[in-house]
Amino acid sequence: QKEVEQDPGPLSVPEGAIVSLNCTYSNSAFQYFMWYRQYSRKGPELLMYTYSSGNKEDGRFTAQVDKSSKYISLFIRDSQPSDSATYLCAMRGGTNAGKSTFGDGTTLTVKP
Amino acid sequence: EADIYQTPRYLVIGTGKKITLECSQTMGHDKMYWYQQDPGMELHLIHYSYGVNSTEKGDLSSESTVSRIRTEHFPLTLESARPSHTSQYLCASSERTGQFFGPGTRLTVL
Repeated sequence: QKEVEQDPGPLSVPEGAIVSLNCTYSNSAFQYFMWYRQYSRKGPELLMYTYSSGNKEDGRFTAQVDKSSKYISLFIRDSQPSDSATYLCAMRGGTNAGKSTFGDGTTLTVKP
Repeated sequence: EADIYQTPRYLVIGTGKKITLECSQTMGHDKMYWYQQDPGMELHLIHYSYGVNSTEKGDLSSESTVSRIRTEHFPLTLESARPSHTSQYLCASSERTGQFFGPGTRLTVL
C-alpha cells in the first residue's frame, strides 16, 4: 500500500464550481504538506505549502490539513478554465527535510 | 521567484548513445532531485542530493548516474541510452519549503 493515496479522478466541473481535491496518508511522521499544479508537458509548480494541521488560504485556493485523520484537501473556489491541470499532493517529515512523497495526481478539467 | 533550468528541453537520440541532461538552479538550494515521469503518470524519484559531493539513489531504480560538484549544478548521465529510457526527466531543488521544478527534458530514444 502506498504511503500517500490521492483521489484518482479525473474530475470535470463547470466554471465557477468549488473543487475539492483530497489525499490520505499513512505515515504519522509527515509534518509538511504541499500541493502542486502541473500543466500538460510542464514541470509541477508549487501552489501551497503548509505545516502541521490547520487551514491556509491563498486567493481562491485553500489548503486544509487534518493530521488526526491523516487527510489533506485543496479547495479551489470559483474555478476557472485556466485551473485545468493535474494536481499533486506531497508531504514530508520534519527530519531529513527535502525528500517528499508524492500522490499520483488528480486531473481536473474546468469547462467554460 | 524560482529559477531552475534544464537543457535540452527535447532530445531525440539513437540507442547506445551517451547523454547528459543538464540542470542548474540559481537559488543556492542545497537539495536537488531528479524525477522520471511518463505522460499522464506519477512522478518517480530517481536521484537526489543534499549538497555538494552528496548523491543518493531514489525510490525508482535507474541506470542513470548523477554528480554534484557544484551547489548550482546537478547533471544526470545515461552511459548507453535505450528505448526504455524514453520519458520526461524533471529536475527540482528545495530549501525549507516545497520543491521548485524545472521545465523538464523530454527524451526519446529510438
